[in-house]
Amino acid sequence: QLQLQESGPGLVKPSETLSLTCSVSGGSIISSSYNWGWIRQSPGQGLEYIASMYYSGTTDYSPSLKSRVTISMDTSKNNFSLRLKSMTAADTAIYYCARLWLTMVRAEIRGFDYWGQGILVTVSS
Amino acid sequence: QSVLTQPPSVSAAPGQRVTISCSGSSSNIANYYVSWYQQLPGTAPKLLIYDDNRRQSGIPDRISGSKSGTSATLDITGLQTGDEADYYCGTWDSSLSAVVFGGGTKLTVL
Repeated sequence: QLQLQESGPGLVKPSETLSLTCSVSGGSIISSSYNWGWIRQSPGQGLEYIASMYYSGTTDYSPSLKSRVTISMDTSKNNFSLRLKSMTAADTAIYYCARLWLTMVRAEIRGFDYWGQGILVTVSS
Repeated sequence: QSVLTQPPSVSAAPGQRVTISCSGSSSNIANYYVSWYQQLPGTAPKLLIYDDNRRQSGIPDRISGSKSGTSATLDITGLQTGDEADYYCGTWDSSLSAVVFGGGTKLTVL
């Protein structure tokens, strides 16, 4: 059974850079059928897509966060990471990592089929 | 303001049927697959429907999805108290070159 687990700091100071890692077990991140991504949810709010990455290196970023976000992958460790710089209170949220299922022929997005439990990141001095 | 528009809340009695709408545009729903997620309180979202109308493994057939033009719909029949949750639609948006979600709909089973 595939499992995803987020790790990183629960508290970040304003203006600092957030670094999160998603460790994947029960399957390889090297797959033509999936992207690997990050989604966040501010307290009491809806889901917000951050970014996703294909094992070949192709990336997609939310336009609203693109200038501050970097997603990367370590295939040797079977994990992927998120860096979000210049953090503010508005970035306080639960951050989820998830697997993004793609169609085989045109690599269209089918849905996020596996999710981590999420990690609460609070931005405060 | 979400790219996809969902009603903030819906409600119905146990055993009844409820529909949740998701409205988009030609740059998203009309041309890309829609997925639906259920988020129970304090938990991560769970995929219910993918490819507009396919049920994820283990999802009962009283839950179904459909799409027409720039709108998608999630149908839940035979409502149970355990269905109380937030529901989100999602898809790809070609104008943004990113995944987009609806704002979410809170389902209350009265």
